[in-house]
Amino acid sequence: GDSVTQMEGPVTLSEEAFLTINCTYTATGYPSLFWYVQYPGEGLQLLLKATKADDKGSNKGFEATYRKETTSFHLEKGSVQVSDSAVYFCALSENFNTDKLIFGTGTRLQVFP
Amino acid sequence: GAVVSQHPSWVICKSGTSVKIECRSLDFQATTMFWYRQFPKQSLMLMATSNEGSKATYEQGVEKDKFLINHASLTLSTLTVTSAHPEDSSFYICSARVSETGDSGNTIYFGEGSWLTVV
Repeated sequence: GDSVTQMEGPVTLSEEAFLTINCTYTATGYPSLFWYVQYPGEGLQLLLKATKADDKGSNKGFEATYRKETTSFHLEKGSVQVSDSAVYFCALSENFNTDKLIFGTGTRLQVFP
Repeated sequence: GAVVSQHPSWVICKSGTSVKIECRSLDFQATTMFWYRQFPKQSLMLMATSNEGSKATYEQGVEKDKFLINHASLTLSTLTVTSAHPEDSSFYICSARVSETGDSGNTIYFGEGSWLTVV
């Protein structure tokens, strides 16, 4: 079945460092890909998404490009802030309708000043 | 933005008892809510889809008689873990889909999650 694999955390960075969180997927069709973020004490929030190959999702300085050839959707940010400390989840859905989201295990990011 | 609230955030219960977790959409109506659980170091797994006024649809491998889901109103869904056992200890998260047409109808908001520990 479809699945999502993302790097284990925690990822620990200093402020203004470059961030990459790897995410790869396995899917039989043409899934939509998502990154969700969960700040402490809050629910998961959609950070960005891409619905087809070569699409780039971006939000709040974060970017991820849908790479069909490598089945990847790595999350990047050029300069992280302390406020970016959170758990990041990569996810896919089999189509644009996000009824059934398949998540990765989540990666905790800790940014220190 | 829209808020989904879960209660309780943490609960400890004795083995064999039942425990209820509530999921509320605070400022929007949700005809559809979803329940997930996450075991340590594993992915969030969809357990069931809850539709207001009808029976929930459970994913393969999820016992519907053990995990009772009720979605009696457009703002509330409850998950009851019956006869809980230590292996049911997990992180349970709900989400709710905004009941609107158009693109907003595909927007989903998540609760903050509930930690269940069965001792």
